[in-house]
Amino acid sequence: EAGVVQSPRYKIIEKKQPVAFWCNPISGHNTLYWYRQNLGQGPELLIRYENEEAVDDSQLPKDRFSAERLKGVDSTLKIQPAELGDSAVYLCASSTRRRTSGADTQYFGPGTRLTVL
Amino acid sequence: QQQVKQSPQSLIVQKGGISIINCAYENTAFDYFPWYQQFPGKGPALLIAIRPDVSEKKEGRFTISFNKSAKQFSLHIMDSQPGDSATYFCAAGEGGTSYGKLTFGQGTILTVHP
Repeated sequence: EAGVVQSPRYKIIEKKQPVAFWCNPISGHNTLYWYRQNLGQGPELLIRYENEEAVDDSQLPKDRFSAERLKGVDSTLKIQPAELGDSAVYLCASSTRRRTSGADTQYFGPGTRLTVL
Repeated sequence: QQQVKQSPQSLIVQKGGISIINCAYENTAFDYFPWYQQFPGKGPALLIAIRPDVSEKKEGRFTISFNKSAKQFSLHIMDSQPGDSATYFCAAGEGGTSYGKLTFGQGTILTVHP
């Protein structure tokens, strides 16, 4: 079974430029998460989707960040314009929703390492 | 607000030794406590998880101990191996409308010397 796929793996941009990250979750996983992981820190949730609906975007800086999950499968996270402080690894994760057995295992992709110069 | 505090930041253990990583949480709404392992250049991968209705869970060389009254939980790695060298994150998850949301600790860099 293929894992969570993310691209690109690395991205270097100048500040004020736009950037986009793409995620393809594990087949059949209806829940998709975007996390940001700063150097030496744990992942922090940016947005969570249930199918195509964003059910938790409270941590997403909406002035410059946007995300979409068309057709409830692939997802794109965009930053426009990027700032120096956006340098981090952006992780995508997916899971299936099991209403009867508690929390689901989140499977993470390898991440996109963004460097803003 | 740091809701999950993890210690130590780094840990060096000899091969065959026991590695112990501790976490403390504040939010009593947390009801799911996983540990993730992350190798350089990879995303975190679930290692073991526990729910608060049990005080201990063991899977192979990995054990979670959970103290609900103290709001603390820990990961014990028995017979530590060089291949265990990685960054370990504890996390805490909520139910209800926040179902699926994980709050991670800051991570512990474990180095196991051969």
